[in-house]
Amino acid sequence: QVQLQESGPGLVKPSETLSLSCTVSGSSISGYYWGWVRQPPGKGLEWIAWVYYTGNTNYNPSLKSRVTISVDTSKNQFSLKLRSVTAADTAVYYCTRHPYGRGSDYWGQGTLVTVSS
Amino acid sequence: DIQMTQSPSTLSASVGDRVTITCRASQSFSDWLAWYQQKPGKAPKLLIYKASYLETGVPSRFSGSGSGTEFTLTITSLQPDDFATYYCQQYSSLWAFGQGTKVEIK
Repeated sequence: QVQLQESGPGLVKPSETLSLSCTVSGSSISGYYWGWVRQPPGKGLEWIAWVYYTGNTNYNPSLKSRVTISVDTSKNQFSLKLRSVTAADTAVYYCTRHPYGRGSDYWGQGTLVTVSS
Repeated sequence: DIQMTQSPSTLSASVGDRVTITCRASQSFSDWLAWYQQKPGKAPKLLIYKASYLETGVPSRFSGSGSGTEFTLTITSLQPDDFATYYCQQYSSLWAFGQGTKVEIK
């Protein structure tokens, strides 16, 4: 079955870069859009970015200046980098699979990233 | 950017009730609209895609409708497992979620 697993540090210092990876099993990276979504504690969902398997990307305008999303088809992984983090970036970060024209049908379990010194 | 606004923010209902949640967009777009259910501590689950298509395995008491700027999620005969928070998402080019609707026990 399809599984997505986020990995990366659970604690990041203010002004540093948050780096997360999502390893995909049970599905090829090829042919799909892949996304990152976050959820601050007790709040709603916020879309961060998506990447197509070809490398095409799109970003939430409110985060665009600080975010990079990339895909590595050889490793069946995609990644997120969020620069210059503050406490407002503390959230559960989810990676998702998003078939063209459909919703995000598979999600990782989510990883809590806390920004604190 | 297309902004999504859900209403109501909270909804109190009883088992067996018919429930409707509305999602309004700041501008018209295609029918690339999805609905998700999220329970505490869990990842969201896809219920509806392309405004009205039921995801495989989702009970038929869930349905979606709408076009343009107004979309609805309807749950006929609310079940105990349906008490959760629901989100709409538009996924045309840039993605955006509504702020969520919590369905709680009356």
